[in-house]
Amino acid sequence: GNSVTQMEGPVTLSEEAFLTINCTYTATGYPSLFWYVQYPGEGLQLLLKATKADDKGSNKGFEATYRKETTSFHLEKGSVQVSDSAVYFCALSDPSGTYKYIFGTGTRLKVLA
Amino acid sequence: DAGITQSPRHKVTETGTPVTLRCHQTENHRYMYWYRQDPGHGLRLIHYSYGVKDTDKGEVSDGYSVSRSKTEDFLLTLESATSSQTSVYFCAISADGGLTDTQYFGPGTRLTVL
Repeated sequence: GNSVTQMEGPVTLSEEAFLTINCTYTATGYPSLFWYVQYPGEGLQLLLKATKADDKGSNKGFEATYRKETTSFHLEKGSVQVSDSAVYFCALSDPSGTYKYIFGTGTRLKVLA
Repeated sequence: DAGITQSPRHKVTETGTPVTLRCHQTENHRYMYWYRQDPGHGLRLIHYSYGVKDTDKGEVSDGYSVSRSKTEDFLLTLESATSSQTSVYFCAISADGGLTDTQYFGPGTRLTVL
């Protein structure tokens, strides 16, 4: 079945460090791919998305490229800030047509000043 | 921010009691979803709705029922709560449920079943 695999956390970085959070997926058909961010005590917020192969989603300095050949959608940011500390979820939309998302287990990021 | 509210935001209840969680939206979106979030599992879909009175099961629907009598409201009911249903519950909405559609999430309800 369709699935999303994220790197396990927590990830701890110093401020201004480079961030990569790995996400790979398994899906039949052509899903859209999403990154959501969850700050403590809040719901999930869309960070970025890509709807077809080779698309790059970007927002707030974060980027991710839809790589069909490697079935990946890795999240990157060139210089993280303390305010980026949160849990990040990779997700895909289910191409089987049941209008649902499949989420990864989330990766906690902690950025130290 | 999408207009989604959830009530209550926190609830503590005892095993065997019925519990209803409410999701209310002001966006007039067609699709509404209930998820639960548990450590190590990410978010898992419980039920979703694709219109008034139109609902379907998700991945973890056992022990849960839903109802949608108005576009703006989607109720999740635990008929007889169990400790395994202690979790954080999120409601989400989307406009048309298509593959490229974005889901927008409410603030969550933390439910503790003693």
